[in-house]
Amino acid sequence: GEDVEQSLFLSVREGDSSVINCTYTDSSSTYLYWYKQEPGAGLQLLTYIFSNMDMKQDQRLTVLLNKKDKHLSLRIADTQTGDSAIYFCAERKSSSASKIIFGSGTRLSIRP
Amino acid sequence: DVKVTQSSRYLVKRTGEKVFLECVQDMDHENMFWYRQDPGLGLRLIYFSYDVKMKEKGDIPEGYSVSREKKERFSLILESASTNQTSMYLCASSSGYSYNEQFFGPGTRLTVL
Repeated sequence: GEDVEQSLFLSVREGDSSVINCTYTDSSSTYLYWYKQEPGAGLQLLTYIFSNMDMKQDQRLTVLLNKKDKHLSLRIADTQTGDSAIYFCAERKSSSASKIIFGSGTRLSIRP
Repeated sequence: DVKVTQSSRYLVKRTGEKVFLECVQDMDHENMFWYRQDPGLGLRLIYFSYDVKMKEKGDIPEGYSVSREKKERFSLILESASTNQTSMYLCASSSGYSYNEQFFGPGTRLTVL
């Protein structure tokens, strides 16, 4: 996804916080998403944020949206081994009701 | 629970063969999608459909076609498989409403020899 960029790898110690970053290009995007892909599985929606929000918190997950810089981040508190997965950032452009543009995915690995 | 199923988890085909990948969803969703996933490239949209018999090209439609004869079923067709089509293929569906969550199948890993 050339419109959505994220780093490919992140390694975090178990119990620490993980922060996965993403930049997007369409300032008129309506929704931004984080999807999680566990090994051997399809993607599953983890959380989303509407473009008029700056922050969304859901248990261990915190999403921050900086519309000025077109920057989205996902923070996972108290990272566990079960959080090992690929995390995809995605945006829904205002021009399309159905299409979602995905980033390349960030592989999160957990160190003991 | 929304379920999206794909006909095969693993498939091995030879160059030049015609390949059919089938996807079925049970939530009466209007929208269905086919993506391919390659390391470092993320998900790239091949085709999508927003209604029966309707289809739109995605970002990489070359070498592929699709068919949607029934609302619940969306097929991806490789007319003449080539080695550069070796990839993971993911199907998804969505209602198109509200935050428009896409629900994914488990994927088909296709190897073209």
